[in-house]
Amino acid sequence: QKEVEQNSGPLSVPEGAIASLNCTYSDRGSQSFFWYRQYSGKSPELIMFIYSNGDKEDGRFTAQLNKASQYVSLLIRDSQPSDSATYLCAVRRDQTGANNLFFGTGTRLTVIP
Amino acid sequence: EPEVTQTPSHQVTQMGQEVILRCVPISNHLYFYWYRQILGQKVEFLVSFYNNEISEKSEIFDDQFSVERPDGSNFTLKIRSTKLEDSAMYFCASSKGDTQYFGPGTRLTVL
Repeated sequence: QKEVEQNSGPLSVPEGAIASLNCTYSDRGSQSFFWYRQYSGKSPELIMFIYSNGDKEDGRFTAQLNKASQYVSLLIRDSQPSDSATYLCAVRRDQTGANNLFFGTGTRLTVIP
Repeated sequence: EPEVTQTPSHQVTQMGQEVILRCVPISNHLYFYWYRQILGQKVEFLVSFYNNEISEKSEIFDDQFSVERPDGSNFTLKIRSTKLEDSAMYFCASSKGDTQYFGPGTRLTVL
């Protein structure tokens, strides 16, 4: 059983602060890791992906991967009220191809103005 | 920017009826997927489709479900004899083999 675990939250941070979102996964064979944002009633929207151990930065977002610890995180710098959403961690067994995504239940983030 | 589109946005049906959910993937994508999300729960994989055939399916995707790519643009999910527990958001996604992009979803309500 492939599991992706996330703290459901809610996580509340003040505007301008750093939000830290965490995710663990059970399948050591996972190769690709994705963060999606989902607003209420909407579809998942890709924020970024990471394949290799270490950090990957994209604007205000930084993804961190530690395959030995089976741990992925997402940092959001200078959090804005518009970042308030549910953040979904997803993992996939391969880097390319047809393999499906396994999703966590998501962490609800609220950014307080 | 190209997007995945889905129709209808909301489908209401009676238990036992058949429904067809439609998706138009991004035009140069090769891999197509259906996921569902029951209200308040996580997004769950149903099926993936590549080269005109199913490449992977989950335990949820039983004989009640089928997928088809009837032409060069549409990708459909058929649910036969719907049950109350089929009520969910159904998302289509497509990819070129790397990241998956999701459509806006169809909310299916089974009464």
